[in-house]
Amino acid sequence: KNEVEQSPQNLTAQEGEFITINCSYSVGISALHWLQQHPGGGIVSLFMLSSGKKKHGRLIATINIQEKHSSLHITASHPRDSAVYICAAPNSGGSNYKLTFGKGTLLTVNP
Amino acid sequence: DVKVTQSSRYLVKRTGEKVFLECVQDMDHENMFWYRQDPGLGLRLIYFSYDVKMKEKGDIPEGYSVSREKKERFSLILESASTNQTSMYLCASSRKTQYFGPGTRLLVL
Repeated sequence: KNEVEQSPQNLTAQEGEFITINCSYSVGISALHWLQQHPGGGIVSLFMLSSGKKKHGRLIATINIQEKHSSLHITASHPRDSAVYICAAPNSGGSNYKLTFGKGTLLTVNP
Repeated sequence: DVKVTQSSRYLVKRTGEKVFLECVQDMDHENMFWYRQDPGLGLRLIYFSYDVKMKEKGDIPEGYSVSREKKERFSLILESASTNQTSMYLCASSRKTQYFGPGTRLLVL
C-alpha cells in the first residue's frame, strides 16, 4: 500500500499570497490526484497528473516521478480558495483506481 | 456533467439497526467506491466495485457489506450499526478520475 504524506497540515494565508502544498508518496505510481473539499463535504477532483505540470486557472500542479513528490500551487490566493486540499496516489500493485489519500491540508485565506 | 447522488445527506440511527446507504451515478462508470472520512484519518476505502456483482474489500471492510446489482447503483450496508460507525460516508465513481457524491453524515446513537 502506498504511504501518502502531505504538508503542511494547516496553512493560513493573506489574500493574494502564493500558496504551496506538498505531497510525497512511497511507491512509484502512474498518476497522482489532487482533490479539493469545501466545508459541507463535497469533494472535487482538481488534477490527475503523471508527469510535469498541469495548470487550471490559478492552480498549478507539478510532479517529480523520480523523487515521488508533487506540489499544488495557488497563485494570487483568494478567500474562496479556503478548503481542504487532498492528494491521493494509487495503491502499489493494485489497479490504478484504488487510491490512498493523504490526510489533507486545511487552507484558510483571509481577506 | 457526471452526477453522483447519495440517498441521504444526514442520517440518525440507533445502535443495532440495519442501515442502507445508496449511491447512484449517471455516467456508466464501471468503478464505484465507498469511503468513510473521519477527522485526522482522512478518506479510507471501505469497499470497491469494478463491475456489476463484483466487489473488493478496501482498507476497513469490517462491519460493512455492499451490493451492486445494477451498474449505476452501489449500496453500502451496515448490518448492525455501532457508535464507532458514526462518520461521513462518501461514494465515488470513476473511469479514471474519481467523481464524488455529496456525502452522508451518519450518527449512530
